[in-house]
This record gives sequence, C-alpha cells and structure tokens, in this order.
Amino acid sequence: AQSVTQLGSHVSVSEGALVLLRCNYSSSVPPYLFWYVQYPNQGLQLLLKYTSAATLVKGINGFEAEFKKSETSFHLTKPSAHMSDAAEYFCAVRATSGSARQLTFGSGTQLTVLP
Amino acid sequence: KAGVTQTPRYLIKTRGQQVTLSCSPISGHRSVSWYQQTPGQGLQFLFEYFSETQRNKGNFPGRFSGRQFSNSRSEMNVSTLELGDSALYLCASSIPAGNTEAFFGQGTRLTVV
Repeated sequence: AQSVTQLGSHVSVSEGALVLLRCNYSSSVPPYLFWYVQYPNQGLQLLLKYTSAATLVKGINGFEAEFKKSETSFHLTKPSAHMSDAAEYFCAVRATSGSARQLTFGSGTQLTVLP
Repeated sequence: KAGVTQTPRYLIKTRGQQVTLSCSPISGHRSVSWYQQTPGQGLQFLFEYFSETQRNKGNFPGRFSGRQFSNSRSEMNVSTLELGDSALYLCASSIPAGNTEAFFGQGTRLTVV
C-alpha cells in the first residue's frame, strides 16, 4: 500500500524567505505524486504533479518540487514566500497501474507567512 | 470551463437523519471520487465512480453510499448520521486515463448536531 508522510504539521517563514515543505512517499514503484493547496473553507487546488517525465517539476504560483527516487522524497519549495501563500498544503500519491485511482494524502502542512 | 460544483456548501443535520450531497464534475470528466476531510483523520477516500459504476471504495461503513448518473453527476448519501460524520466532503473529477490529475470542488461542510 502506498502512503505519504509530511514532516512538520506547521511551518512558519518570513515573507521573502525560502519555503520548504517536506514529503516522503512509500511505494514499491515510483508513483504519481501531487501537491495540493487548500485555503480556508475551500477545496483543493493542484500546485503541481510528478508523472515521471522530469524530476524537477514546476507548478503554479512559483512553486516547484523535485522527485528524488533515492530518498523517496518529493519536497515542495518556493524561493520567496508571499503573504498569499499562507494555506495548508497536502502531498498526495496515486498508483501508476491497476484500477485504484484514488489519492492517498499526507496529513498536511499548515504554512504561516510572517510579515 | 466550469469547475467541479458541489451542492449544498453547508448543511446542518441532526443525529439519526440522512443526507444527500451532490457533485457535478467538469464537462467531459467521467470519473468522480469522494473524500472526507476531518481535523482528526485528515483526507480519506470514500469511493470512486466511473460510468455509473463504483470502482473503488474506502474503509467506511455501509451507511456511506453513492451513485453516479449517466451525465456523470454523482451523489453521496449518508444514512443514520452520527456526530463523527461532521466533516468537509470533497468531490473530485478527472479523466480516468494515465497521469491526469483530479480537480476538486469547494466541498460541502456537514455538521451533525
């Protein structure tokens, strides 16, 4: 069974500082990986996805993530945090084969951006 | 292109009642999945429908059920509501092929009192 672990349920950064949100996956073969963002009382919005085409994936709003098979990681980064980045971020995994298309989510990381 | 639409946005129900939530997927998306989000358990998969058939089901009791119509719209039903069913219920639609992502609606916030 696949799973993802997000290290750090809360992360605080200053505006303009680097954002690093950690995600490690557990899967016998590299799965599809996703990062979603959720603003209060909203649904999930896709930031980026890894589908084996390239290990460095660029997403929306200046975010990017690097897939590292040797570390089973897919950490999310942004060079310079903006106040509008304050939200909850979820890493998710999905199998690349079989009929099970559901996403398995990490427990989420709440990002606070300090002025 | 319209996104995933969930109705209603908010619901308050009493224990023991039943509730039906609705989801209209993005046009052309034939796969619809449902997730429950709670502070304690996080995001958990409920079930997935494709072409009016349930393809997968998460680890939830039989009180949770769903269906999909020929136009891909989906409903989920929870019978005999319990306080623990209070949650944000999210619907996601996708094109069930390859590495396509799921698009989420804004959710229905269910409160059971």
